[in-house]
Parts: sequence; C-alpha cells; structure tokens
Amino acid sequence: AQSVAQPEDQVNVAEGNPLTVKCTYSVSGNPYLFWYVQYPNRGLQFLLKYITGDNLVKGSYGFEAEFNKSQTSFHLKKPSALVSDSALYFCAVRDASGTYKYIFGTGTRLKVLA
Amino acid sequence: DVKVTQSSRYLVKRTGEKVFLECVQDMDHENMFWYRQDPGLGLRLIYFSYDVKMKEKGDIPEGYSVSREKKERFSLILESASTNQTSMYLCATLSGRVTGELFFGEGSRLTVL
Repeated sequence: AQSVAQPEDQVNVAEGNPLTVKCTYSVSGNPYLFWYVQYPNRGLQFLLKYITGDNLVKGSYGFEAEFNKSQTSFHLKKPSALVSDSALYFCAVRDASGTYKYIFGTGTRLKVLA
Repeated sequence: DVKVTQSSRYLVKRTGEKVFLECVQDMDHENMFWYRQDPGLGLRLIYFSYDVKMKEKGDIPEGYSVSREKKERFSLILESASTNQTSMYLCATLSGRVTGELFFGEGSRLTVL
C-alpha cells in the first residue's frame, strides 16, 4: 500500500537558519513526489515536484527538495528561513502507474522564529 | 493561472441539514477532487471525477455524494449533515498530464452543530 510519512508534527527554526522538513514514502512503483504549503485559512499551494531526473529539485520561494531513492525520502529544504515561511507543509506521493490518486502526509507545521 | 473557486468559505449548519459545497474551475481540467482536511490526519480523498458525469469513490465516501453535470463544476453533497462532518473541505483540479500537480481552492470550513 502506498503511504507518506511526515515524522515531525512541528519544526521550529530561527530566522536565517537552514530548514528541513522531512518526508518518507512507500509506493509500489516509481513515485511522483510533491510538496505543498498551506497558509492559515487558505488552500494548498504547490511548491515543487519530483518526476524524474536530477535528485535535487528547485521550487517556489527558494525551496528545494532532495529525492533519495535508497532512503525513500523527499525532504524539503531551504538555506535561509524567513518568518513568512511559517505555514503547514504537506508532502504527497502519486503512483506513476497512472492512477490519479494522491496520498498526502499528515503535515508538518513550520514555525520560523524572529 | 488556474483558478479554483469554492463558493462558500465558511458555513454553519445544523445536524440533519442537506449541505451543498460547490467548486468551479476555469482551466478546462478533466479531473476534479474533493478532500477533507482534519488536524493530524492530513488530507483524505472523499470523491473524485475524471470526466463529466463520471465519479469514483475515494477513501472516505460515506455520508457524501457528488455531482458533476458540467466540466467546470464539481459539487459535494452532504445529504444529512452530522457533527463528525465538521471539517475543512478542499476542492482540487488536475490537468490530464500524468505528471501534473493539483490546484486547490481556498477551502470551505464547515461547522455542523
């Protein structure tokens, strides 16, 4: 069965420090991996995705994510956190077999402290 | 940019009422989804539709139904609302591309008293 795990409910980081939000996945075939961000009382916004190719994917707002096949991970990173990055982050996986079904993690709340 | 509009941002209903949540998209996307978001549970798929008048159950369809009479509109219906359906409801669309990402509406926060 496909699954996504975000092991941390909350991550706190000081402004200007690097941040990492963790995600691990389990799928039967090749995965399509996504990160979304949700600001308070808003819908989810797409940040970045991994489909194939370079393991380091760059996305919106200075975020990037590293795909690691051996560790089945897709961690979200940013070199220097901003207070405005504080939000809820979701990792999602889609089975590359053709189904339109996405599996979402439970979300990680990122809090960037000034 | 894709625009996904959910007609109601906040609703308060009473137990037993029939509730309609509407979602309209303007990008001619084939696929539309309804998710429910609850703290600690992430997003759970209620129903999705891959074409007009076509629908498939997601992971938690019980207590819900959907309607897709036109390509741009996907409605979620709670026939008889219950307190355990208090939640944030998110509509999303997806183009036909296999590698595409979801586009979400702003969400509808439903409270059932």
